[in-house]
Amino acid sequence: AQSVTQPDIHITVSEGASLELRCNYSYGATPYLFWYVQSPGQGLQLLLKYFSGDTLVQGIKGFEAEFKRSQSSFNLRKPSVHWSDAAEYFCAVDNQAGTALIFGKGTTLSVSS
Amino acid sequence: SAVISQKPSRDICQRGTSLTIQCQVDSQVTMMFWYRQQPGQSLTLIATANQGSEATYESGFVIDKFPISRPNLTFSTLTVSNMSPEDSSIYLCSALPRGGVRDNEQFFGPGTRLTVL
Repeated sequence: AQSVTQPDIHITVSEGASLELRCNYSYGATPYLFWYVQSPGQGLQLLLKYFSGDTLVQGIKGFEAEFKRSQSSFNLRKPSVHWSDAAEYFCAVDNQAGTALIFGKGTTLSVSS
Repeated sequence: SAVISQKPSRDICQRGTSLTIQCQVDSQVTMMFWYRQQPGQSLTLIATANQGSEATYESGFVIDKFPISRPNLTFSTLTVSNMSPEDSSIYLCSALPRGGVRDNEQFFGPGTRLTVL
């Protein structure tokens, strides 16, 4: 069965520092992978997605993610974090039927000044 | 794109009672979903709300506990029945404008934060 693992529950980075959030997946075929961000009181917002092709995917708000099939990973990165990036980040994979998403447990990002 | 609103945004309820959560989408969508996000946990799919037919429930979720309605292409409700403190969660509605997640972005509502005393 498909599953998503986000090993880091909580990460704190300094404003202006680089960020990498880890995501590993288990999937029987070519996965469709997503990163969502959830700010307090807000719905989930799609940051980026990977379906096929170039393994480095650019998203909104300066985020990017790299798909590595050999490592079953889809890590999210940002070169310079802003205080407004503090939020909950979820990695997700589609359910092979393509009808819904399976989410990881999320990583809470705190940004220190 | 789709903008999704949910009512209520939060509620505190007594055990044994029921709460109905409304989800409104600003455009017609083919698929709507209900997720539960328990404290400190990830989002778990409860069911797919099908327009014109019964909802499709995931393993561990049953219609008697979480009845769902989908009267048209823009609206759905989720009822949490006979609540217990274990039902305290954030409940999120989501929608796919067309096709599946491989074809289109899945949009999420802001969630309903439910506390059961």
